Amino acid sequence: DAKTTQPPSMDCAEGRAANLPCNHSTISGNEYVYWYRQIHSQGPQYIIHGLKNNETNEMASLIITEDRKSSTLILPHATLRDTAVYYCIVRVRTSYDKVIFGPGTSLSVIP
Amino acid sequence: GAVVSQHPSWVICKSGTSVKIECRSLDFQATTMFWYRQFPKQSLMLMATSNEGSKATYEQGVEKDKFLINHASLTLSTLTVTSAHPEDSSFYICSANSGAGGRDEQYFGPGTRLTVT
Repeated sequence: DAKTTQPPSMDCAEGRAANLPCNHSTISGNEYVYWYRQIHSQGPQYIIHGLKNNETNEMASLIITEDRKSSTLILPHATLRDTAVYYCIVRVRTSYDKVIFGPGTSLSVIP
Repeated sequence: GAVVSQHPSWVICKSGTSVKIECRSLDFQATTMFWYRQFPKQSLMLMATSNEGSKATYEQGVEKDKFLINHASLTLSTLTVTSAHPEDSSFYICSANSGAGGRDEQYFGPGTRLTVT
């Protein structure tokens, strides 16, 4: 799997948009960008994924640069419950492909 | 979305005993499941890949004789920590791949907190 680089921590004011960056400069053409988050003492939760187009779902938006070397996860209106560690991962989308976690970004939503 | 459960959610055991943790995919079949371990304030570390009907594949540095993995059916994988010691105390998390309907997403269980005294 390609490596990803994320800032170790970020703060965001409650109600504001949280923009979490991720660099994946060595991503291969068949690798997807995935985002997961882990709230303290829980299992990781899938958020969103994309290949090259921007994606949006009920939780977040994913913006992938045209060269695919970086992406941004956007939580449009952060709440206190969004405080978690966010992991950006690139992987081939097969049933046997591992998800390898880096250190992630610890997001703190401030009241 | 697909649901993965783990049992027990937490367990305390004495040093030298063995502990079994179950991982179940509740509403889908998973030919591949994964086991992770997470120490406090650290990221998840992949321990092994569990394949239904075949031997598990362990990551480098993980003792296969200590962490026994059995994937007996398409909905159940078990991790047995044999002769547990205090340094095995950790948060163990499993995940399973759902390939239903052309989607291939990996869903994670809620984790099992193991404390060895």
